[in-house]
Amino acid sequence: GQQLNQSPQSMFIQEGEDVSMNCTSSSIFNTWLWYKQDPGEGPVLLIALYKAGELTSNGRLTAQFGTTRKDSFLNISASIPSDVGIYFCAGPLPGAGNNRKLIWGLGTSLAVNP
Amino acid sequence: GAVVSQHPSRVICKSGTSVKIECRSLDFQATTMFWYRQFPKQSLMLMATSNEGSKATYEQGVEKDKFLINHASLTLSTLTVTSAHPEDSSFYICSARDAVAGANVLTFGAGSRLTVL
Repeated sequence: GQQLNQSPQSMFIQEGEDVSMNCTSSSIFNTWLWYKQDPGEGPVLLIALYKAGELTSNGRLTAQFGTTRKDSFLNISASIPSDVGIYFCAGPLPGAGNNRKLIWGLGTSLAVNP
Repeated sequence: GAVVSQHPSRVICKSGTSVKIECRSLDFQATTMFWYRQFPKQSLMLMATSNEGSKATYEQGVEKDKFLINHASLTLSTLTVTSAHPEDSSFYICSARDAVAGANVLTFGAGSRLTVL
């Protein structure tokens, strides 16, 4: 099925470092969602973006809705060990109606070395 | 905030048996729920869209007779893996859309790990 291009695929960083990951699409999106999934758990919503150019923060996390509406970025500042997990971007499939299905990125696996 | 409860979290069954997984929206009504399957180190794969009071919509390649979905109420959807085989072993996750949280925001259950021996 259709998927978003998410990069990097994985990251291994030192505690305290900042992290950046991004997601791109060949189609225009009206909503970008960023989720985090801990091992053995379901994804949890981190940030939702609804407007092109929007910059939204949630604690140490900041996400931006690209002005072209075809990309989005997620930044994590001053990483800590509990940031470990897989981060997914997602967006509603364009033009599929009110119950639009989400398209998912392949995820960015983050490992933090204490 | 919206909470989705999924049960069981882990289940081990013998090949040939059927397994039912429940997904409940605890503090909101969900006319639509989504069932996903996730293989290790891979992204979420949508299996089907569960619609309250009507038939589920299955994604291409997903056998509807193999994965039975029932959405009998506004707070409960069930996925039954019939005649399970080892290749059905996977992580199954349900999700629901809470209108208050946002039109496209999905709240996920904690997932169910199915192991078929």
